[in-house]
Amino acid sequence: AQSVTQPDIHITVSEGASLELRCNYSYGATPYLFWYVQSPGQGLQLLLKYFSGDTLVQGIKGFEAEFKRSQSSFNLRKPSVHWSDAAEYFCAVYGGSQGNLIFGKGTKLSVKP
Amino acid sequence: GAGVSQSPSNKVTEKGKDVELRCDPISGHTALYWYRQRLGQGLEFLIYFQGNSAPDKSGLPSDRFSAERTGESVSTLTIQRTQQEDSAVYLCASSLVVGGGEQYFGPGTRLTVT
Repeated sequence: AQSVTQPDIHITVSEGASLELRCNYSYGATPYLFWYVQSPGQGLQLLLKYFSGDTLVQGIKGFEAEFKRSQSSFNLRKPSVHWSDAAEYFCAVYGGSQGNLIFGKGTKLSVKP
Repeated sequence: GAGVSQSPSNKVTEKGKDVELRCDPISGHTALYWYRQRLGQGLEFLIYFQGNSAPDKSGLPSDRFSAERTGESVSTLTIQRTQQEDSAVYLCASSLVVGGGEQYFGPGTRLTVT
């Protein structure tokens, strides 16, 4: 069955430092992959998506992610974190039986001043 | 253009009462999804509507849950005889196409069952 694993429940980084959030997926075919961000009390906002082609995808707010088939990973990166990036981040793969997304349990990002 | 909207934003109800949650998708989006997010958990898929097709209800957690959609517009998720374990944020999403298209989420309804 398809699944998504986000190994880190909570990460704290200093403002201005680089960030990498890990995501591993299990999917039989070429996956459609997504990263969403959820700020407190808000819905989910799409950061970026991978469907095919270039394995390095650019998203909004300065985020990027790299699809690595050999590692079944789709890690999210940002070169310099801002305090406003503090939120919860969810990785997802398309592949549910009804066209739904399958989500990881999320990684909460805290940013130190 | 307007995004996905949900109402109410917060709902507190007593155990055993029925609740109805509403979702207005983005105009023109044929697919609509309901998810549940329990505290500290990822999103759990509940049900999906595509056009006028009858939905597959197998993802609903119990027979106390039901959902309807009028054409390609508003959807309601109804929970009968609410239990404390139903407390969660219920998120609705819509997408233009089925088959991997990106889903746009509403702000959610936070349901608290006391």
